Amino acid sequence: EPEVTQTPSHQVTQMGQEVILRCVPISNHLYFYWYRQILGQKVEFLVSFYNNEISEKSEIFDDQFSVERPDGSNFTLKIRSTKLEDSAMYFCASSGRAATEAFFGQGTRLTVV
Amino acid sequence: GIQVEQSPPDLILQEGANSTLRCNFSDSVNNLQWFHQNPWGQLINLFYIPSGTKQNGRLSATTVATERYSLLYISSSQTTDSGVYFCAVARGFSNTGKLIFGQGTTLQVKP
Repeated sequence: EPEVTQTPSHQVTQMGQEVILRCVPISNHLYFYWYRQILGQKVEFLVSFYNNEISEKSEIFDDQFSVERPDGSNFTLKIRSTKLEDSAMYFCASSGRAATEAFFGQGTRLTVV
Repeated sequence: GIQVEQSPPDLILQEGANSTLRCNFSDSVNNLQWFHQNPWGQLINLFYIPSGTKQNGRLSATTVATERYSLLYISSSQTTDSGVYFCAVARGFSNTGKLIFGQGTTLQVKP
């Protein structure tokens, strides 16, 4: 069964460092997303990406964040100059169309120390 | 923006009991999904159900879009059903697929 895969599963980084979280969406999907979940809280939308550009982003997704689809299979989230409050579980998701079922990866747990 | 409210926030059951989880939303939606977050943090798709009723084994879900709510039924609960259940919606006319999540219902099934 096709699935969304994320790497790494865990990452620890020093405050101020840059991190890149990687995702391989389901191969025939066209819409890609990043969400985050701070420990004990609900899942929050960060950004959606379609046709090689951002289609929507939340207030959380400021200049510190960027997304890229560097090739036909990967989708990345870059966080520049990480802060302690960036510590969270980051989920990648994909869907075939905007209003169809979204499938989530297993998440990357980011810890900023 | 659209509001998503789930109830109850916490639920403790004995193994074998049945339960109903509720999700209310404040606007029309073109997508509604139920997820189970397991102890490892993974979000497992349960149902894609913007309207109607679906069943999958011991789980079933009903969405009444005109009345802006969805229900998730768990029958004959097992300890492996423990975890957090999230409802998430995409607002009607959304062309980005952005999902708004509720706060979740934390379910604990005791043996």
